[in-house]
Formats: sequence, structure tokens, C-alpha cells
Amino acid sequence: GAGVSQSPSNKVTEKGKDVELRCDPISGHTALYWYRQSLGQGLEFLIYFQGNSAPDKSGLPSDRFSAERTGGSVSTLTIQRTQQEDSAVYLCASSFLAGELFFGEGSRLTVL
Amino acid sequence: SQQGEEDPQALSIQEGENATMNCSYKTSINNLQWYRQNSGRGLVHLILIRSNEREKHSGRLRVTLDTSKKSSSLLITASRAADTASYFCATDPIQGAQKLVFGQGTRLTINP
Repeated sequence: GAGVSQSPSNKVTEKGKDVELRCDPISGHTALYWYRQSLGQGLEFLIYFQGNSAPDKSGLPSDRFSAERTGGSVSTLTIQRTQQEDSAVYLCASSFLAGELFFGEGSRLTVL
Repeated sequence: SQQGEEDPQALSIQEGENATMNCSYKTSINNLQWYRQNSGRGLVHLILIRSNEREKHSGRLRVTLDTSKKSSSLLITASRAADTASYFCATDPIQGAQKLVFGQGTRLTINP
């Protein structure tokens, strides 16, 4: 596809379950970002991948959160033992080097 | 605290009027970017201004950057109902990893 693709677009889960969110960036983009946005709030940085460098995980809120980027392309954000406060829209974006970010439409996570 | 902070948090004006939003940041930057978000989903890049630039135009958008005051403004002229959205500034800090840091956003409402 031409843009950043995220799946699922909506996910409802029960507290304590694990969830995986997927991001398929624009082909050729070296950088990939995950952000979290709670209702009516700004974007909270989670993790940043740039090429083959070690990812910047400084924004991950707890060790229940992890992310990987396979083959420099698709990324998966995993949240283990979900809590209600994890409910938010998870946004993925990609860019070429340090240029403008291209965002996906987000994955809305609701933890019951 | 947040690197980029927008002001005001919410702005409501009549169609045809100009809308001005401000962004302040704390550390030296490579560039500053403005994004627009409709309906709490993906963000769309509007304009990028580099640290050595003072003003930039794109259609009805005018962005200024004052690095001495660590501030930027986004002006939307002749506003339209379709401009109703949230607007975010994002800074690319010189220090540290190259990741964009977003502010909390300004919620702009254009009344017909």
C-alpha cells in the first residue's frame, strides 16, 4: 500500500489478556515510531526504530510493553497483561531519516 | 515536562477569520513541524520549518519560528469549517535520539 497500515483498527480485550498491534510502514522508510494517545490528549512517545540501530525504548511505560521490527519493515507492539489504563489509540508513523512523519490511522485499544 | 506546548488549548472562531496557534519548546532543535489531526485518528503533516528559517508559507498556512524565544506560531488565514481539527507542533531536538516530541495540541473549531 501507499501509506502506513495499522491493524487491528479496533481491539476490545479483557483486563489481563495480551494484545499485539501491527504496523506496516511505507516501503523504504528507515524510521518507525509508536505513539500512544489517550482521549483528548497529546501524543505520548513510546518507542523509535531507526535502521539497524538499537531502538530507543525510553518511552515505554512499563515492562509489559515491548516492540520489535522485523527485517527493518513491519513492527509489532505487544502489551502483556493489559490494564484498563492501557486503553488508548496507538499510532504508528514512519519516515525517511528525520523527515516528516507519515501516520497510520491508529489502533484503538479498549481494555474492559 | 513536554518539549512542545501549544497555546491556546482550544480556539473557536468564525469562518473567514484568521486562526493563530502558538508552540513553545525548551531545547535546541533541528526543525519544528506542525501536524493536523481529525477525529482522534492519524495525523497529517502540514509544514516543516528548519532552525535556520524564520518564516514559511504553504497555501493558507504561515509558520514562523523564533529560536531565540524557542517558539513557533501557525497562522491559518481565511479559515473554513473544514479546518476544524486538532493541531500539534512537534520538535526534532538536537540533543538525544532523533525522535519527534509532540505537544498537547490546540483544538480548533471553525463556526460556520
